[in-house]
Amino acid sequence: DTEVTQTPKHLVMGMTNKKSLKCEQHMGHRAMYWYKQKAKKPPELMFVYSYEKLSINESVPSRFSPECPNSSLLNLHLHALQPEDSALYLCASSQTGNPTDTQYFGPGTRLTVL
Amino acid sequence: QQQVKQSPQSLIVQKGGIPIINCAYENTAFDYFPWYQQFPGKGPALLIAIRPDVSEKKEGRFTISFNKSAKQFSLHIMDSQPGDSATYFCAASNTGRRALTFGSGTRLQVQP
Repeated sequence: DTEVTQTPKHLVMGMTNKKSLKCEQHMGHRAMYWYKQKAKKPPELMFVYSYEKLSINESVPSRFSPECPNSSLLNLHLHALQPEDSALYLCASSQTGNPTDTQYFGPGTRLTVL
Repeated sequence: QQQVKQSPQSLIVQKGGIPIINCAYENTAFDYFPWYQQFPGKGPALLIAIRPDVSEKKEGRFTISFNKSAKQFSLHIMDSQPGDSATYFCAASNTGRRALTFGSGTRLQVQP
């Protein structure tokens, strides 16, 4: 099983809402990632968890808060977002946190902030 | 030195043609060069990857050519099919770096 699942598929939220994105993998991978992807652009790395510890935070605004409850799950908590945060949010996992490991991406959550 | 420059931005070929997508990099420490394929509404998926110790790698109809001295690598799709229509991203990294560095992407359309 090489699947990374993400829920929800689509999310519409207002600027005052609090919501969470969820990601799950059962490949035994010890690294999990959050990326943000705007239309016609490459994925931009937001966070990396390696062995359930936050190893990379690419200067992401605090209105995005990641959480890794265990090695299979990754959440992204959203609060007070701005319309420019509307994007496709991708989760990925890899064997370890080494960037030369193959990263397996989920289908993404399409987020719209009104 | 962080960038990976990808061209062309978009590409249209006829079925059976051989689209070629090019990438160039500056950081000589890079030692891992993957290509990702992304269909609309889906996440990227690893297509093929190469290390600089070889000049070419083939997997099915997909071939990576690597020119270490020129710091360039390219993706060739043999006998392209309409089902290959997608966005292709090159990337680069090396052990010890923080993350993959992606190219800007190429939207490929293969016409029937």
